[in-house]
Amino acid sequence: QKEVEQDPGPLSVPEGAIVSLNCTYSNSAFQYFMWYRQYSRKGPELLMYTYSSGNKEDGRFTAQVDKSSKYISLFIRDSQPSDSATYLCAMSASGNDMRFGAGTRLTVKP
Amino acid sequence: EAGVTQFPSHSVIEKGQTVTLRCDPISGHDNLYWYRRVMGKEIKFLLHFVKESKQDESGMPNNRFLAERTGGTYSTLKVQPAELEDSGVYFCASSPSSDTQYFGPGTRLTVT
Repeated sequence: QKEVEQDPGPLSVPEGAIVSLNCTYSNSAFQYFMWYRQYSRKGPELLMYTYSSGNKEDGRFTAQVDKSSKYISLFIRDSQPSDSATYLCAMSASGNDMRFGAGTRLTVKP
Repeated sequence: EAGVTQFPSHSVIEKGQTVTLRCDPISGHDNLYWYRRVMGKEIKFLLHFVKESKQDESGMPNNRFLAERTGGTYSTLKVQPAELEDSGVYFCASSPSSDTQYFGPGTRLTVT
């Protein structure tokens, strides 16, 4: 079993839809949780960072962490074609050696 | 503020040759990380520097890989001799503290 499980998709939604992306994990020591966005041939770009459990909102993006269920989510409201990218969840016990999910490829169609 | 930069962007070498990848972190970031993504797999941690010291190199695949960070600024990752399975994208990231990491664009290595 992988430490971090993420459905690779692909996921296709119409413009304006709410997108839900999820990851599950097995290591209960993880306490740093990140979501990265990666465009083709580019490096991962940090979108959201959450320490421990709870919700965090930044504009159209909301990150949720449920440590009891070992489950994290990223919600994108009013999705735009420019949101089309691969979304990677990442997590760490120490904040250093991050463990990544496989990434979910998202396409938002105009 | 300049982001993390990596050089070269793409390298094609033959099996048995040596390649050196370079990473320049964001100025002032003491923490520097190397990661690798091989085809079809997730991004995997290789090692972590704090300034010039190796804090954690548990992810280095074998002794053909050598990372250095002389002076605590830029870092190099040398692969010698390269094997076919070393092909992939090598990412560098930097961080001012032990949480948020900012990634460079990556170096795509192809070993033929």
